[in-house]
Amino acid sequence: KAGVTQTPRYLIKTRGQQVTLSCSPISGHRSVSWYQQTPGQGLQFLFEYFSETQRNKGNFPGRFSGRQFSNSRSEMNVSTLELGDSALYLCASSLALGGLTDTQYFGPGTRLTVL
Amino acid sequence: ILNVEQSPQSLHVQEGDSTNFTCSFPSSNFYALHWYRWETAKSPEALFVMTLNGDEKKKGRISATLNTKEGYSYLYIKGSQPEDSATYLCAFLKAAGNKLTFGGGTRVLVKP
Repeated sequence: KAGVTQTPRYLIKTRGQQVTLSCSPISGHRSVSWYQQTPGQGLQFLFEYFSETQRNKGNFPGRFSGRQFSNSRSEMNVSTLELGDSALYLCASSLALGGLTDTQYFGPGTRLTVL
Repeated sequence: ILNVEQSPQSLHVQEGDSTNFTCSFPSSNFYALHWYRWETAKSPEALFVMTLNGDEKKKGRISATLNTKEGYSYLYIKGSQPEDSATYLCAFLKAAGNKLTFGGGTRVLVKP
């Protein structure tokens, strides 16, 4: 079975721009979660989508948003980029039978640099 | 703000030795605890999801225990090998929780 894929793998943007990241889950997985990894804050939960609906949300400003399509693929959007948004963005998929108690399978991440 | 702490932050282990480290979390409103292994340049890999007080899980030479009443979990590596070198992360989910809160990780380096 193919693993979780994320595109693009690397991205450079400038302050004020917006960016869209994509995540394709493992076939059959219905939940996609997004995480941000920074040296200062560690790994932080952004949000979880299930059946095209945001089911859970972390403590991030409204500039961070996402959506999920009917095939379970998910996109994350960050508007009005700030320098502090430079990070590794990971997505993870799960079967979602038990929500966030399910085993999460992570993708390779997208490294975003904001200049 | 939920406080999930891991100690120590880093650990050097001689090949063949066993080691263990700790994840501390709030003892109230516990729902689940995840353990992950994250090797450099790879994706985090799920090790265990623990939900019951007294739970013990094992995967090869790695095992974990859970004490929800006192708010801690131990991860053990038996007979450490160089391929065990990684950062080990725990993540706490509180009851009726809507997000995972991660600890800062324990970076393990196994020296041949």
